[in-house]
Amino acid sequence: EIVLTQFPATLSLSPGERATLSCRASQSVGSYLAWYQHKPGQAPRLLIYDTINRATAIPARFSGSGSGTDFTLTISSLEPEDFAVYYCQQRSNWPRTFGQGTKVEIK
Amino acid sequence: QVQLQESGPGLVKPSETLSLTCTVSGGSIRSYYWSWIRQPPGKGLEWIAYISSSGSTNYRPSLQSRVTMSVDTSRNQFSLNLRSVTAADTAVYYCARGMDNSDSSSPFDSWGQGTLVTVSS
Repeated sequence: EIVLTQFPATLSLSPGERATLSCRASQSVGSYLAWYQHKPGQAPRLLIYDTINRATAIPARFSGSGSGTDFTLTISSLEPEDFAVYYCQQRSNWPRTFGQGTKVEIK
Repeated sequence: QVQLQESGPGLVKPSETLSLTCTVSGGSIRSYYWSWIRQPPGKGLEWIAYISSSGSTNYRPSLQSRVTMSVDTSRNQFSLNLRSVTAADTAVYYCARGMDNSDSSSPFDSWGQGTLVTVSS
């Protein structure tokens, strides 16, 4: 199965700063990569699908890029509600797999 | 907006069967793909299986021998049975919907809040 490695494991930033999260696949997933936001006790939320497409109602400060094996989620200016754990997920091969997550915490 | 809600026992004994149900509200269960995903304590997310509204399934290979999914379109529900559980099956279990009703591999655009299932005697 495809292994997704996310880094860094934790990102300590202040509101207003730019966040750059990375996801590396053990083999090419083409453009079939999604990003989710997850807060404790809540349902995960789809942010980005197929590398660059924002899901419904996702603010423009969230953007995705990359292809093949290397992908990036960028949050241009962190809002207080953006502090959470972020997961990448591939749908190129079965079984679908997720990364281990990057926690974005308040510095 | 579609909402999903997991239900089922929070405690299951080792070697027994874990049974969960996901109830879909605010939309029809028809024509979409529905999945179960779990998160063991301190670990990442793991996709378990999906079922279509017509009953076709796809299971994670490592769990295939122990997993069964079913769907009840009249009740707008789908279910997960995981047999012969061990402590390694302790996790928060989520149900989720694939966003594209024509693509079994589409990303998950709606999720339940999750339910913690502990395997312990």
